[in-house]
Amino acid sequence: QLQLQESGPGLVKPSETLSVTCTVSGDSISSSRHYWAWVRQPPGRGLEWIGSVYYTGSTYYSPSLKSRVTISVDTSKNLISLDLNSVTAADTAVFYCARHRTSATAYDVFDIWGQGTMVTVSS
Amino acid sequence: DIVMTQSPDSLAVSLGERATINCKSSQSILYTSNNNNYLAWYQQRPGQPPKLLIYWASTRESGVPDRFSGSGSGTDFTLTISSLQPEDVAVYYCLQYFGAPHTFGQGTKLEIK
Repeated sequence: QLQLQESGPGLVKPSETLSVTCTVSGDSISSSRHYWAWVRQPPGRGLEWIGSVYYTGSTYYSPSLKSRVTISVDTSKNLISLDLNSVTAADTAVFYCARHRTSATAYDVFDIWGQGTMVTVSS
Repeated sequence: DIVMTQSPDSLAVSLGERATINCKSSQSILYTSNNNNYLAWYQQRPGQPPKLLIYWASTRESGVPDRFSGSGSGTDFTLTISSLQPEDVAVYYCLQYFGAPHTFGQGTKLEIK
């Protein structure tokens, strides 16, 4: 059974870099050929797609975050990473990783989600 | 970016009654080559990640009760819950995956009247 588990620092200072990871279990990132996404949700607010990555390292980013975001994949550890730099309080959110449903395309729904990790930006 | 606008923002429906949530996209999300509408619906209960209910505008995800249905095409879409159950209390989001960035509606909070 496929499971996604996010982990993060909990608290990040303003202007620093927020780094979260998503460990995939129950399937191999490289052999499944799915795209994997990051989605965030500020407290009490809606969902925002951040970007998606393929096992090859190919990425799609939201234009609004593209200048500050790096999403990468480590197939040897079966995990996906998100780095968001120059953070402010507005970046405080629950960060979810999710799988795109159909293999080999990022133009598809997110069908499997992790439980999310809350990251607060504060000094 | 394609803007997704849901209505209403909140909704209170009696148990056993029908609930209807609308979603409008700022441009068509119908891909004419395959005749698919790139529209999905999610349910999010408090403290939980979103759960996929409907994709391709009207295809129910495996395991989703058949009281949930989706309809619409082009720019106008509807999620219908035919007979509201207590466990349906949640926030519902539409998502377009026609173009990047993928964009969500602002959410509709569904409560029991």
